[in-house]
Amino acid sequence: GENVEQHPSTLSVQEGDSAVIKCTYSDSASNYFPWYKQELGKRPQLIIDIRSNVGEKKDQRIAVTLNKTAKHFSLHITETQPEDSAVYFCAASKRSTLGRLYFGRGTQLTVWP
Amino acid sequence: DGGITQSPKYLFRKEGQNVTLSCEQNLNHDAMYWYRQDPGQGLRLIYYSQIVNDFQKGDIAEGYSVSREKKESFPLTVTSAQKNPTAFYLCASSITAVPYNEQFFGPGTRLTVL
Repeated sequence: GENVEQHPSTLSVQEGDSAVIKCTYSDSASNYFPWYKQELGKRPQLIIDIRSNVGEKKDQRIAVTLNKTAKHFSLHITETQPEDSAVYFCAASKRSTLGRLYFGRGTQLTVWP
Repeated sequence: DGGITQSPKYLFRKEGQNVTLSCEQNLNHDAMYWYRQDPGQGLRLIYYSQIVNDFQKGDIAEGYSVSREKKESFPLTVTSAQKNPTAFYLCASSITAVPYNEQFFGPGTRLTVL
């Protein structure tokens, strides 16, 4: 299978600061790495993803980096805002397991105004 | 937030009873998934289905059963064999069962065993 480890489990930052969440994966065959955001009481939603042929991807204030050699990927949020407060999940997927996602345990991000 | 629905939102069950959670999607997606969410545990896969009349066990399938008789429906039955069923259950779907396809989640069902 695949084992995805996610750190930290909780993260508190001041509004305007940056936040970084890190994940590692075990299977070198994994080739797709999405990040989902789950606000309190709501369903998870995809916020950004990266494929294994790309090292970095940005979308406004969020970015994801991937290091295939070290088998880790990270989510970077700049200029954090209170509405960024949520649980963030990283995940990994590979072709041989037909699109199923292996999720990390999640990071509770709190942004203080 | 339309497209994939789950019912009921809250469900209470007595020990020893089976209960079925509904999941319906009108996105014309081939693949559907069931996850269990517990605090600090992330999203753990129970069952998934690539296509109608086909499904595979996930990591925690014991005590659960599913069916996929229609493309738009993927009900999950929590049986009395599931030793700790109290949890939040999320259903998801994607266009096809391959990587790179976004999974869209339903609003979830919170099951409580009394």
